[in-house]
Amino acid sequence: SQKIEQNSEALNIQEGKTATLTCNYTNYSPAYLQWYRQDPGRGPVFLLLIRENEKEKRKERLKVTFDTTLKQSLFHITASQPADSATYLCALAGGTFGGGADGLTFGKGTHLIIQP
Amino acid sequence: NAGVTQTPKFRILKIGQSMTLQCAQDMNHNYMYWYRQDPGMGLKLIYYSVGAGITDKGEVPNGYNVSRSTTEDFPLRLELAAPSQTSVYFCASSRTGSNYGYTFGSGTRLTVV
Repeated sequence: SQKIEQNSEALNIQEGKTATLTCNYTNYSPAYLQWYRQDPGRGPVFLLLIRENEKEKRKERLKVTFDTTLKQSLFHITASQPADSATYLCALAGGTFGGGADGLTFGKGTHLIIQP
Repeated sequence: NAGVTQTPKFRILKIGQSMTLQCAQDMNHNYMYWYRQDPGMGLKLIYYSVGAGITDKGEVPNGYNVSRSTTEDFPLRLELAAPSQTSVYFCASSRTGSNYGYTFGSGTRLTVV
């Protein structure tokens, strides 16, 4: 069966360091992979999209990599700040329940805590 | 502000009652989605629509119904509410599916007692 795995344990990082979050998947061949940020009591907010033929994407302090051979995406936040503390969701296109060929299936998310 | 608007923000229902969760977007997006999120779980797709008049089931459609009579609106109907439907419901829209990011609403927190 298709699975998306994100580290369910909270990730504690010291302010100023680089935070790296992992998204692994099995039995998928996604055309796109997306990352979202979710704050408590709020809806997810889109951050970055990376296509299967792209190895890396950057946006300000954010960097995403996509390795279709390893079936893994890494999400990096450089020079992390306490305001970056949130839950980060990985989402893959397609899949059985993603909403058709163009839909997204979400991982459970990783809670990131940036400590001052 | 442009975006996805969900109402109500909170609601308590008694078992067996019905209600409609409203969702409206003003970005002229063709694709709209309803997800539910339970504590510690990922977002689960309930229903989706690729355009007015077209809807389809997602992963967890039982106990819910949708309609899409206009591009802007995508209401979710709960008939005969059950405690298992206690959850946070999110509506989302996108221009043409997964090659664009989704815009989510702020959610409706529903408790069935």
